[in-house]
Amino acid sequence: ETGVTQTPRHLVMGMTNKKSLKCEQHLGHNAMYWYKQSAKKPLELMFVYNFKEQTENNSVPSRFSPECPNSSHLFLHLHTLQPEDSALYLCASSQLGRNHYNEQFFGPGTRLTVL
Amino acid sequence: GENVEQHPSTLSVQEGDSAVIKCTYSDSASNYFPWYKQELGKGPQLIIDIRSNVGEKKDQRIAVTLNKTAKHFSLHITETQPEDSAVYFCAAFPARDMRFGAGTRLTVKP
Repeated sequence: ETGVTQTPRHLVMGMTNKKSLKCEQHLGHNAMYWYKQSAKKPLELMFVYNFKEQTENNSVPSRFSPECPNSSHLFLHLHTLQPEDSALYLCASSQLGRNHYNEQFFGPGTRLTVL
Repeated sequence: GENVEQHPSTLSVQEGDSAVIKCTYSDSASNYFPWYKQELGKGPQLIIDIRSNVGEKKDQRIAVTLNKTAKHFSLHITETQPEDSAVYFCAAFPARDMRFGAGTRLTVKP
């Protein structure tokens, strides 16, 4: 596997379900991100992890719970979601540091539908 | 915080013509400006970027220009081909995190 991978690619869940999205980066990067992409809206940054530490939480509802067990893996745990949470969830990674400009590499995304 | 505006939201051109997409940003501390191409069913892919110490950068048919004084930057695609059809996003990176434009859907008609 190369680049950034995400599983599953598609997910349909009811509002009472609990599910998790998984992201893995094979680029040796030290930072990982979750974005939400809704139709006709800019990409919304949800969470940032830098060296496994969460450094950004952009007022995301608590029904979204991120987990970063190591610098290569990132999870997004979902529970009691709402229909308006239906979107494409994108994971990205980058190498942060003094000589880096945060070139972010994206995975293919998980298309989430909440019924 | 940073605010990025992108225009137009849709753009249709004839194959072989040029396409230009423009973005403005608000945070003068922004120093990195990437452009992403997103094809159907895929995540955004970085196609070109420019840093604040450079005014223009070119890579084959793609070029990006940056005007720091006016706080705007543009993507230029020349000799467009049907495979250039996609959604293009600009972004601006200030000190904290990256902000994206809303995207431009480019259609290249054969």
